Amino acid sequence: EAGVTQFPSHSVIEKGQTVTLRCDPISGHDNLYWYRRVMGKEIKFLLHFVKESKQDESGMPNNRFLAERTGGTYSTLKVQPAELEDSGVYFCASSFQGIPEAFFGQGTRLTVV
Amino acid sequence: GQNIDQPTEMTATEGAIVQINCTYQTSGFNGLFWYQQHAGEAPTFLSYNVLDGLEEKGRFSSFLSRSKGYSYLLLKELQMKDSASYLCAVSGATNKLIFGTGTLLAVQP
Repeated sequence: EAGVTQFPSHSVIEKGQTVTLRCDPISGHDNLYWYRRVMGKEIKFLLHFVKESKQDESGMPNNRFLAERTGGTYSTLKVQPAELEDSGVYFCASSFQGIPEAFFGQGTRLTVV
Repeated sequence: GQNIDQPTEMTATEGAIVQINCTYQTSGFNGLFWYQQHAGEAPTFLSYNVLDGLEEKGRFSSFLSRSKGYSYLLLKELQMKDSASYLCAVSGATNKLIFGTGTLLAVQP
């Protein structure tokens, strides 16, 4: 069974550019989460989808970040325009509804220069 | 506020036992998780505690005391491959995870 997959694994962009990260959760997982780890800090929650609906987006830093999950399958996280402080590793995780265990992807390392 | 504390680094010897502690203060509690993360890889689920007590799974055990806001992960018969970062995380009211900064464990021969 395929795990949570994220694309790309690495991205280097210039300040002001746009980047879109993609997450494919495990098939059948209704819950999808985005997290971010900035260098030297803990992994922090960004937002939570249940199917295609945003359940909690309290962790989104600002309106430069837009997450979507059309059709309740894969999700995208777009950063526009990117700033230097957006650099970090972006993780996606998914889980079955009612099951606490969340499975993580390997993350996308975003570097804004 | 919400806070999770765990040691930054630990060193242990192959074949020994190591205990990684975690204390937490969160506004909601739906369980405590331990994840293992090797450099450049995905965090991997190790254990989940929602009730007080000890959960054992092979060489790994996890303990929870909700009244004390305290948990530990116990690793027995340490192997070199256990060298990794161990993340303590609390599930809050909406099931989002609140992470500590992680404990980097180095297992030495």
